[in-house]
Parts: sequence; C-alpha cells; structure tokens
Amino acid sequence: NAGVTQTPKFQVLKTGQSMTLQCAQDMNHNSMYWYRQDPGMGLRLIYYSASEGTTDKGEVPNGYNVSRLNKREFSLRLESAAPSQTSVYFCASRGLTPGQGYYGYTFGSGTRLTVV
Amino acid sequence: DAKTTQPTSMDCAEGRAANLPCNHSTISGNEYVYWYRQIHSQGPQYIIHGLKNNETNEMASLIITEDRKSSTLILPHATLRDTAVYYCIVRVEGSGNTGKLIFGQGTTLQVKP
Repeated sequence: NAGVTQTPKFQVLKTGQSMTLQCAQDMNHNSMYWYRQDPGMGLRLIYYSASEGTTDKGEVPNGYNVSRLNKREFSLRLESAAPSQTSVYFCASRGLTPGQGYYGYTFGSGTRLTVV
Repeated sequence: DAKTTQPTSMDCAEGRAANLPCNHSTISGNEYVYWYRQIHSQGPQYIIHGLKNNETNEMASLIITEDRKSSTLILPHATLRDTAVYYCIVRVEGSGNTGKLIFGQGTTLQVKP
C-alpha cells in the first residue's frame, strides 16, 4: 500500500544511547518532515526536507540530526538520547496525493520512543 | 502562516452533525484552510481544505466565511469513530514553498452514544 512507513514502531533507550528513526515513502513526494508529539500536545516540527538534498530546522531541532538519504528516505537521529526526548515521532511527506488535492500530506503511524 | 484559534473540546451526539469552528482572523489572501484529525495517537489524517469557496468531500464539508476570518468543519452524521482531535491549520499553498504544517492544540471531539 502506498504511504509512509516508519520503523521501529516502539523503542526504549537508556539515557545517552543513540538511535536512528527510519522513514520511507513510496509516493514520489518531494518534501518530507519529522514531527514529535508529547502527551496532550499538538505536533511540533523538528526538521524538514523540502526536496532531495536539502534539510532545514523546524521548531524544535535541538538534540536531533536528519539525513535525506534519497527521495524516498528521510531519517532522524538522536545522538545522545535524553528523557526529554521521550515522545511519539511522526514522519510525513508532501506531494501530489490522490484524494487530497494538489499537494497533500501523508503521515506515518508513528514511533513511540521512551528514554529512561 | 496565520494563527488559528479552536475550542479545546466539544461533544456531539452520535448521528448528529458535528460543527467544529476555527478562527483565523489574520489569514492572508493566499493562505488555505486545512483540516486534519488525529485518532488516538495515530498519525494525522487529512480531511479537507479550501481557499475561499465552501468545499465538500466524502468525509466532511468546509464552510469559510466571506471575509475568510473563520471557518467551520462539518461532519454531517458523526459516528463514534469520529472521536478524535481535529486540527485547523492555515498556510500558503504552492509547490515553491517549504510546505511546513504548524499544528496548534486542536479541538478534542467526543462523539457520544
């Protein structure tokens, strides 16, 4: 099924450990985004990639790095995890999407990360 | 992108229409109104969007006031599965921009039997 795939779905890290969250889309979309959502809050933009080869900071980039590996894949890396990074992470892509009009957004199902 | 204001929560009886308001008094002429919803920590789901005219699709209707300073999302026959957080977002459309979606707190809609 066309869409945005995130891996892993769940992860528990110890403080100071590193990990990479993976995101891939198969809709040939140009733009990709990483958001985090804390309990009871709206989504906040961490980083985005308007097109292949470019990345830019969003609202809350500190503690994260990203890589736009190719048009399909956009990864988010936590170099030294902290308890404050416990959150649900959503990846999204934007482009021509059937049923959404000219430029639609599609979100993945999320990665639930706990840092202890 | 213009800021939006939504009520924190609303209730609706199952089978009745749910009308979710959104104020965006600082919206500019080239900004679209988008609605997304998030069901129980799933990824946000697109519902509908519009610029000036009212819009309708299989999920909902979007009514935008003539001055564009507010809008209403209408779910015509709400079901229990429509219980979710609904986000109203305004932003500039177009392939040349960065396409960032900025989420507010949204409205928690509780559909009751």
